[in-house]
Amino acid sequence: DAGVIQSPRHEVTEMGQEVTLRCKPISGHDYLFWYRQTMMRGLELLIYFNNNVPIDDSGMPEDRFSAKMPNASFSTLKIQPSEPRDSAVYFCASSNVRGATNEKLFFGSGTQLSVL
Amino acid sequence: AQTVTQSQPEMSVQEAETVTLSCTYDTSENNYYLFWYKQPPSRQMILVIRQEAYKQQNATENRFSVNFQKAAKSFSLKISDSQLGDTAMYFCAFMNRQGGSEKLVFGKGTKLTVNP
Repeated sequence: DAGVIQSPRHEVTEMGQEVTLRCKPISGHDYLFWYRQTMMRGLELLIYFNNNVPIDDSGMPEDRFSAKMPNASFSTLKIQPSEPRDSAVYFCASSNVRGATNEKLFFGSGTQLSVL
Repeated sequence: AQTVTQSQPEMSVQEAETVTLSCTYDTSENNYYLFWYKQPPSRQMILVIRQEAYKQQNATENRFSVNFQKAAKSFSLKISDSQLGDTAMYFCAFMNRQGGSEKLVFGKGTKLTVNP
């Protein structure tokens, strides 16, 4: 398996533009997580899905952020409009935690977002 | 809400020596998992070691071992025979297994530098 695949690896955009980050989880995993990493706040959970359904979005900073999971193999995180304070590394992770005996998250390589 | 605290923002160690990274957490739950993740400069999040709260025996993975003190809510990581490739950010993380929550809560991280 290729692991969790995120795209793009780097994204540079201007303030006010729409940004879409993409994630393909590991096949067979039924949990998908979006994390944001900054120097000041560390790794923060934004939202997670179980079987394509959002379970907890309490970490989504504000209405400018939205996430979707239209099917088991694809998820997006959208920021509209983007602001400089959104600059961070965004990680997607997947797992098949429930019922597994070796619970762990598999992370993608992250998207480095810079909003100018 | 669960919190994870890593009190050492940065540490350094000489190659071949042993270093211990500290982690404490706060929870009222009894059934949970604890993890240490490594993030090298490549940005990839790599699982180092995992501990189940109901197991009294400390987890070990080759040169990596933990000292799990459940009553004290402490979960330190010991790296023996440190290698240059161990240079990375290390994150302690907590996952609650009760109440249907599968999310991983991370500490702020410890930057470890292994010196030749």
